[in-house]
Amino acid sequence: AQSVTQLGSHVSVSEGALVLLRCNYSSSVPPYLFWYVQYPNQGLQLLLKYTSAATLVKGINGFEAEFKKSETSFHLTKPSAHMSDAAEYFCAVSGLNDYKLSFGAGTTVTVRA
Amino acid sequence: EAQVTQNPRYLITVTGKKLTVTCSQNMNHEYMSWYRQDPGLGLRQIYYSMNVEVTDKGDVPEGYKVSRKEKRNFPLILESPSPNQTSLYFCAPLAGGEQYFGPGTRLTVT
Repeated sequence: AQSVTQLGSHVSVSEGALVLLRCNYSSSVPPYLFWYVQYPNQGLQLLLKYTSAATLVKGINGFEAEFKKSETSFHLTKPSAHMSDAAEYFCAVSGLNDYKLSFGAGTTVTVRA
Repeated sequence: EAQVTQNPRYLITVTGKKLTVTCSQNMNHEYMSWYRQDPGLGLRQIYYSMNVEVTDKGDVPEGYKVSRKEKRNFPLILESPSPNQTSLYFCAPLAGGEQYFGPGTRLTVT
């Protein structure tokens, strides 16, 4: 069974500052890992995914995440926050032959001008 | 253009009144899921379907039913809704290892 823990339910950053969202997973099999973003009153949009290729994954809107097997982590970063990054972010995991996503509780990002 | 449609988008109903939330996809995907989203809990899978006439329970199936009579449609049925089913619901077809989420249906049961 897979599960995900997102550290910090709320993160506040200044515009232009580094965004770091933490995600740790537990999985009995090599996982697929995902980050999704949800803007207010919208559905979920895929930011990036790890599928056992390169450990550093680049996504949309300047986000990237690094898969670290030794730390069972898949933290999301963006070097410079923009006001438009204010949203809720979800980390999710699935097994290689498992079509179900297991989600973390989410992290809400606010960006201060 | 890949599209997932859910109806209704918003619904307020009363306890015990049967309702159906429809989901339709134009991507010809075999695998589809329903999730519910609740604050502090993230998204949890309710039911999924591997193909027409093939459905199975997810993590939180109690109080829900689904059907898959044709590939494009995957309705979620609440036979007797209760207040604890107040939530935001997402339909999500799967393609290429990626789930595409519909726009969501916000359901309130009073």
